[in-house]
Formats: sequence, C-alpha cells, structure tokens
Amino acid sequence: EIVLTQSPGTLSLSPGERATLSCRASQSVYSSYLAWYQQTPGQAPRLLIYGASSRATGIPDRFSGSGSGTDFTLTISSLEPEDFAVYYCQQYGSSLTFGPGTKVAFK
Amino acid sequence: EVQLVQSGAEVKKPGESLKIYCKGSGYSFTSHWMGWVRQMPGKGLEWMGIIYPGDSDTRYSPSFQGQVTISADKSISTAYLQWGSLKASDTAMYYCARLGESFWFFDLWGRGTPVTVSS
Repeated sequence: EIVLTQSPGTLSLSPGERATLSCRASQSVYSSYLAWYQQTPGQAPRLLIYGASSRATGIPDRFSGSGSGTDFTLTISSLEPEDFAVYYCQQYGSSLTFGPGTKVAFK
Repeated sequence: EVQLVQSGAEVKKPGESLKIYCKGSGYSFTSHWMGWVRQMPGKGLEWMGIIYPGDSDTRYSPSFQGQVTISADKSISTAYLQWGSLKASDTAMYYCARLGESFWFFDLWGRGTPVTVSS
C-alpha cells in the first residue's frame, strides 16, 4: 500500500500570502495519479486537482498542482479568506490512499 | 443537477444494524464507480470501499473488509453502506463520493451521513 505523508501539518498564513503544501508518497505514484481536495469546516471535501496538475471544473486558477514520482505540491498563489481549510492529497495509481491532511490556518 | 443525496443522521446502540444510502441523479449512475469514505470526529479521510453499479463489482479497503457491506441498486440509482453490528468506534461522518469516469479520484461528493453509536 502506498502511504502518503503531508507537510506541514499546519500552515499559518495571512490572506494574500502564498501557500505551498507538500504530499510525499512512500513509492512512486503511477502516471502521477494524484488528486487534491479541500475541506472547509462542516462541509464535504471538494476536488481541486487531479492528475497532479489538472484543475477540476470551477476551481480558480490561484490553485495549482505540480510534481511526479513521489513528490507533489499544491500551491495557492494568493490566499483568499475562503481558502483557509484542510487540504488532502489522494493517490489512485495503486488502489486508493488519502494523506493525513494539511490545515491552512489564519496567522 | 448532478448530485448525490445521502440519507439522514442516525443514532444507534452498539450491536444494532444499519443501512445508509446515497442516491445519484443528473448523470449516468452505471457509468461511474461510487465510493464510501469515513471521517471520524476531528480526523482525516479514509476510503472504505467502492462499487461499480453497472455490475456490482465491489472493492474494499483492507481496513474495512469484513466490517461493512457495500451494495447498489442501479434501478433506483442508489448505493448503500451497511453494518451488521455497530460499535461505538463506528461513530463518524460517512460520505459517498462518485469516482471519475476513467480514473479513481472522487469528483462529486454527497453531504455526508453522520452516524452516532452510543449506549
């Protein structure tokens, strides 16, 4: 089973700042089959990115994904108030696995 | 509108059985795998299993194999998650989520069914 590790656990930032979130896999993720989700309090998760770098329908272009192999990154170029949430990565190259999440919190 | 509608909140006692549902609408229900995801209070996301409603092919996470049963009735576009004997540790939010047509990321989520198991 592929284990995903996300860092940092919590990222404390202010609106307008850039957020960089990391997702590392215990082995190479086949064909960069990696997705990112956002979950705000009391809400269901929402798909942001799939295939490591493709934005899902309706996702603003301040969200971008990159990476391959075992190292992947989600970048939010300029934080909006609604972006303060928990972000999960998920690999689907070999069965399914979620990472433990990174919380983006107000500084 | 493309959506997944889940059944309402449940409060059960340990040892009781439970079956919750997820009804898809606005898309071809038999063309997408459907998954169930558990979120325990204050914790992260755990995939439990997935089912292909077209032929009921079902795959379980090793962590949940034998603990729950996933099924689907394609005639009414509904997927189910059931327990035979609930435990307090089953207390969680349960989300159904549609998988992409060709790839196994979750592109559409239900709002979740909260399940509380307490004596």
